[in-house]
Amino acid sequence: QVQLQESGPGLVKPSETLSLTCTVSGDSISSYYWSWIRQSPGKELEWIGYIYYSGSTNYNPSLKSRVTISVDTSKNQFSLKVSSVTAADTAVYYCARGAHQLDYWGQGTLVTVSS
Amino acid sequence: DIQMTQSPSSLSASVGDRVTITCRASQSISTFLNWYQQKPGKAPKLLISVTSSLQSGVPSRFSGSGSGTDFTLTISSLQPEDFATYYCQQTYSFPRTFGQGTRLE
Repeated sequence: QVQLQESGPGLVKPSETLSLTCTVSGDSISSYYWSWIRQSPGKELEWIGYIYYSGSTNYNPSLKSRVTISVDTSKNQFSLKVSSVTAADTAVYYCARGAHQLDYWGQGTLVTVSS
Repeated sequence: DIQMTQSPSSLSASVGDRVTITCRASQSISTFLNWYQQKPGKAPKLLISVTSSLQSGVPSRFSGSGSGTDFTLTISSLQPEDFATYYCQQTYSFPRTFGQGTRLE
């Protein structure tokens, strides 16, 4: 059974960098695309971007200048960094498998941006 | 960006009802449309991909149809576990975009 688990700080200060890691178990990360999605409190889902195990990426233009997604195949993990965060970046962040159909998701992790 | 608009935003229904949720794209997306179900405090779950392909393990009471700009998700006979929020997502172009959700209550 494929499982994904997000990890990282739940509180980030404004202007700092948000960093999250998604650990994949039950499947090799070298087989699929891997995505990040976020959901602000009470709001709709926002696609952040995805990465292929080779390292090729595709980002949402609205976040592209601040987002970096990377992959570590040796650890079966992929990561998200969002720089210069503001309160608007407060959200539940999900990692998921796929670039088209997101068929497996992590449970999500709440990241709050506050001083 | 392609805007995805769902209607209604919320829907009151009862067990056994036939329910239809609509998703409209701001431009043609062929059949590149997925449906997700989300329960409170949980991650979304993929129900249907490419407009009408039911994911493994998803009950057959769920079905999807449409093409171009207009799509529907139908639940033929609502069950207690179906009360949730439903989202459509287009994968025709980047950035991927979701509808605002339809809360079934």
